Amino acid sequence: GENVEQHPSTLSVQEGDSAVIKCTYSDSASNYFPWYKQELGKRPQLIIDIRSNVGEKKDQRIAVTLNKTAKHFSLHITETQPEDSAVYFCAASNSGGGADGLTFGKGTHLIIQP
Amino acid sequence: DTAVSQTPKYLVTQMGNDKSIKCEQNLGHDTMYWYKQDSKKFLKIMFSYNNKELIINETVPNRFSPKSPDKAHLNLHINSLELGDSAVYFCASSPNRGIAFFGQGTRLTVV
Repeated sequence: GENVEQHPSTLSVQEGDSAVIKCTYSDSASNYFPWYKQELGKRPQLIIDIRSNVGEKKDQRIAVTLNKTAKHFSLHITETQPEDSAVYFCAASNSGGGADGLTFGKGTHLIIQP
Repeated sequence: DTAVSQTPKYLVTQMGNDKSIKCEQNLGHDTMYWYKQDSKKFLKIMFSYNNKELIINETVPNRFSPKSPDKAHLNLHINSLELGDSAVYFCASSPNRGIAFFGQGTRLTVV
């Protein structure tokens, strides 16, 4: 089955700086890679996703890059703000995220220092 | 107007009891899931249903039994609860295009 590794487990950055979270996956058949943000006591919420036919996707301050050859993908947050503090999860799926569900990384606790 | 709703939000119960968690989605999605989030925040899929049919049953004790009366509902019944079952259980749904919408979670505490 799929295995997703995520690093770092904790990331502390100064407000206004950039944050990068990296994930690797094992199943070369995986073709869908979402990122979820989970605030304390809340549900995971999708913030951005990328499919295997695309190398990069951007949405305002967040971007995701995918390297299929190396089987890794990354989340980039620029101009970080206090409200970016949360746990971020990467995930992978080999069915477009449909019935086979998602395999999640273990999460990164992002701390934005004022 | 919640998209994926699950009840109850909190559940405290004694070891050995049987309990159920209910989940409903009003998004018209074909696929629903149960995920478990443990104390270290690790999210792991337990079950996946597509149009009321079981697709995935990960390595989950058979004390856990999902039931899908229709494609908008996926309930989780747990028999003989154990201390190690304490976790947050999330229901989710997907239109099979990848995006998964999560419910607000049920925090189960077994004492």
